[in-house]
Amino acid sequence: GAVVSQHPSRVICKSGTSVKIECRSLDFQATTMFWYRQFPKQSLMLMATSNEGSKATYEQGVEKDKFLINHASLTLSTLTVTSAHPEDSSFYICSATVVPGYTFGSGTRLTVV
Amino acid sequence: GIQVEQSPPDLILQEGANSTLRCNFSDSVNNLQWFHQNPWGQLINLFYIPSGTKQNGRLSATTVATERYSLLYISSSQTTDSGVYFCAVVRRGGSEKLVFGKGTKLTVNP
Repeated sequence: GAVVSQHPSRVICKSGTSVKIECRSLDFQATTMFWYRQFPKQSLMLMATSNEGSKATYEQGVEKDKFLINHASLTLSTLTVTSAHPEDSSFYICSATVVPGYTFGSGTRLTVV
Repeated sequence: GIQVEQSPPDLILQEGANSTLRCNFSDSVNNLQWFHQNPWGQLINLFYIPSGTKQNGRLSATTVATERYSLLYISSSQTTDSGVYFCAVVRRGGSEKLVFGKGTKLTVNP
C-alpha cells in the first residue's frame, strides 16, 4: 500500500532554533500533501496544504512565516518550524491523498525547551 | 465548514465486550474514513467508507450518507483496541481537506 515516511519521529530543540520535518511518499507520487498539528488529547487540525512546485496554502490563523512548507518534488514535502518556542511543542503529522482516501505519516513529536 | 461530531467522547470496556462508535456530519461528503490512533500517535486507516457497509475481521463500519452519519462497530474487544478512534470527512463540492472529529477515546481493560 501507499506509504508516507515521516522523519524525525521525535525531536527536542532549544527555543529560538529551527526544526525541519520531512515527509516522503515511498511508492507513489504525491502532488498534494497536508500538514496537521495535534495538541495533547485533542484532534488533528489542518495547518496547510502543500502542492508540488507551488506555494503552500495555509489555514486561517497559521503563521506562514513561522511554518515554512516546501514541496519541491513529487515525493518530498518539508515543514520547517522557524524560531521555535515552547508553545510550538506539539505532534505534527503529514498526509497524502491516495486512491481511495488519505494516508498518513507516523508523526513527529516536537518539544521546544 | 463541515462539522463532524463523534460520540461518545470516552468509552471504557472490559475485554470481550462489543461497542458502537458514532460519527455525525453536517453536509454531504465525498470521503469518510475511520482511523485508529495508537499510543505512539500513528494513524491507522480502518475504513474508507463514504457510503455502505464494510467489514474487516472484528471491525465493521456503516455509513448512511443520506442521513449523514457513520457507525464503527468493534466486536469482542481486545486490549490492543485501546486508543483514539477518529472519523474524518471531505465535504462534497469542497476542497480536498480532510476534516476530523474530536475522536472517541477507547480503553479496553483486561
